[in-house]
Amino acid sequence: QVQLQESGPRLVRPSETLSLTCTVSGDSINTHSLMWIRQSPEKGLEWMGYIYFTGSSNINPSLSSRLTMSVDTSKNQFSLRLTSVTAADTAVYFCAAGDIPPNWAYYWGQGTLVTVSS
Amino acid sequence: DIRMTQSPSSVSASVGDRVTVTCRASQAISGWLAWYQQRPGKAPKLLIYSVSTLQTGVPSRFSGSTSGTGFTLTINDLQPEDFATYYCQQTDTFPPTFGQGTKVEVK
Repeated sequence: QVQLQESGPRLVRPSETLSLTCTVSGDSINTHSLMWIRQSPEKGLEWMGYIYFTGSSNINPSLSSRLTMSVDTSKNQFSLRLTSVTAADTAVYFCAAGDIPPNWAYYWGQGTLVTVSS
Repeated sequence: DIRMTQSPSSVSASVGDRVTVTCRASQAISGWLAWYQQRPGKAPKLLIYSVSTLQTGVPSRFSGSTSGTGFTLTINDLQPEDFATYYCQQTDTFPPTFGQGTKVEVK
């Protein structure tokens, strides 16, 4: 059974960078598309982007100027970095995994609430 | 982006009822539609993909279909664990987008 777990700071200051890591267990990340999805009361569920184990990624155009994703196959982890955050980036951030090419999110992390506040 | 519109936003039902949730896309999305269930404080769970294919382990009381006007999630014989929020998602056009959710509440 594939399991995912998000980790990272829960509080980020405005204008700073939000960084999260997702650790995958139960299977190699090489066989999955690796996604980030966030959820807020204002925007609902927002699909942020995906990355493959090769490092190839595709990011939601609404975030492409601020979001980068990376992967560490040696640790079976993938990460996101969202720069210049504002209160609008306060959300529950989920990492998820699906097939290649990505369509459905079959496996989800439990989610982590990140608050942007000074 | 493709806008996904669900109706109703909430529905009150009793155990044993049949519940129907509808999802409409702002443009044609072919068969690239999924349904997720989310319980409070939990991550969404994939129920149905490709309009009508049940994810492994999902009870057969859940079903998905399409008509000329949209897509439908049907829950037959509603069980206590089915009270949750349901979301549709399209992956036809990048970026994938979700509906705003339909909350199934206890009547």
